[in-house]
Amino acid sequence: DIQMTQSPSTLSASVGDRVTITCRASQSISSWLAWYQQKPGKAPKLLIYKASSLESGVPSRFSGSGSGTEFTLTISSLQPDDFATYYCQQYNSFRGFGQGTKVEIK
Amino acid sequence: EVQLVESGGGLVQPGRSLRLSCAASGFTFDDYAMHWVRQAPGKGLEWVSGISWNSGSIGYADSVKGRFTISRDNAKNSLYLQMNSLRAEDTALYYCAKDGDSSGQKAFDIWGQGTMVTVSS
Repeated sequence: DIQMTQSPSTLSASVGDRVTITCRASQSISSWLAWYQQKPGKAPKLLIYKASSLESGVPSRFSGSGSGTEFTLTISSLQPDDFATYYCQQYNSFRGFGQGTKVEIK
Repeated sequence: EVQLVESGGGLVQPGRSLRLSCAASGFTFDDYAMHWVRQAPGKGLEWVSGISWNSGSIGYADSVKGRFTISRDNAKNSLYLQMNSLRAEDTALYYCAKDGDSSGQKAFDIWGQGTMVTVSS
């Protein structure tokens, strides 16, 4: 099974900050990596797929990069609506999620 | 409107069974692979199982293999999860999710709101 490891687990930041979350795969997954945002009591929302493709309707301050085993999600200027938990997901072999990164208000 | 609506959750004793359903609408159901994902209270997301458009390819997480069975009825636009030999650690909110495109290159673009399963005596 492919293991996905996110870092950090929790991130404290302020509105306007540039935020970066890292996701590492235990083996190469090419570019089959997605990022989701989840708010309390809500279903996850797709932000990025195929490592760097922005889902329709998602603000351009979100971007993804990487390939192989190391990936990043960047929020260029954190907005109040962005405080949430973010998950990476590999879909190279079945499916699997990272443990999540909670973005908190500093 | 594209929509997934789960049902069938509830309180069940350890060792018993439960069958979840997911009703799809607003898209051509039999064009897409479908999945079940769960989230234990206060925990992260765990992929449970997935099924291809024609049921020809099926996969399970190790944690449920041999106990859970995924199926679909394309004529009824419905996805199912038969859960047997339930354990306390299966307690979670169960989501159904749709692949973003028919080739599986776009991850999960649509999610239901989930149905809660509680396994307790």
